[in-house]
Amino acid sequence: AQSVTQPDIHITVSEGASLELRCNYSYGATPYLFWYVQSPGQGLQLLLKYFSGDTLVQGIKGFEAEFKRSQSSFNLRKPSVHWSDAAEYFCAVGARDEYGNKLVFGAGTILRVKS
Amino acid sequence: NAGVTQTPKFRILKIGQSMTLQCTQDMNHNYMYWYRQDPGMGLKLIYYSVGAGITDKGEVPNGYNVSRSTTEDFPLRLELAAPSQTSVYFCASSLSGPGYGYTFGSGTRLTVV
Repeated sequence: AQSVTQPDIHITVSEGASLELRCNYSYGATPYLFWYVQSPGQGLQLLLKYFSGDTLVQGIKGFEAEFKRSQSSFNLRKPSVHWSDAAEYFCAVGARDEYGNKLVFGAGTILRVKS
Repeated sequence: NAGVTQTPKFRILKIGQSMTLQCTQDMNHNYMYWYRQDPGMGLKLIYYSVGAGITDKGEVPNGYNVSRSTTEDFPLRLELAAPSQTSVYFCASSLSGPGYGYTFGSGTRLTVV
């Protein structure tokens, strides 16, 4: 079965600084990969997803993520963080086999933005 | 287009009470899911359904039941509420499996006292 690790529970960055959130997965083949964002008291919103092809994926709100098969990673990046990006971010992985009926989520990374 | 609608948004239950969390989607999605979210634990899958009449257990099904009589509705039942079921519950749907991504409801915050 697939699993996901987000090593950082909290990250604080200054407004305007760059951001990278880490995500590592465990799965025997190339999975489906996702990043979701959750603002306080809200549901989860899809930022971006990787299915196949180009390993650099662009998403909404200026986010991008890069799939690195050799490192089993799918890190989320943003070149310049805005105060409105403060939220919790979840990486998720889906299997491409008969067990591929659901997503497995990481524990989340809380992003704080300081002015 | 309402997407995924969850009711209620908040609820306080006493130990031993029962309740049903409602989830409805209007996107004609085949797959529906119930997750619970606890601080620092991410989202854990309780139950899911790949179509009307078909349900299956996730990681943490104990203490919960589901049914899927229509494509639109996927209610989650708590029969004997326990403090360990204090959590935020999210319903999600997908057109045809996780490869399409999920659409999430806004959640139900449940407290059991």
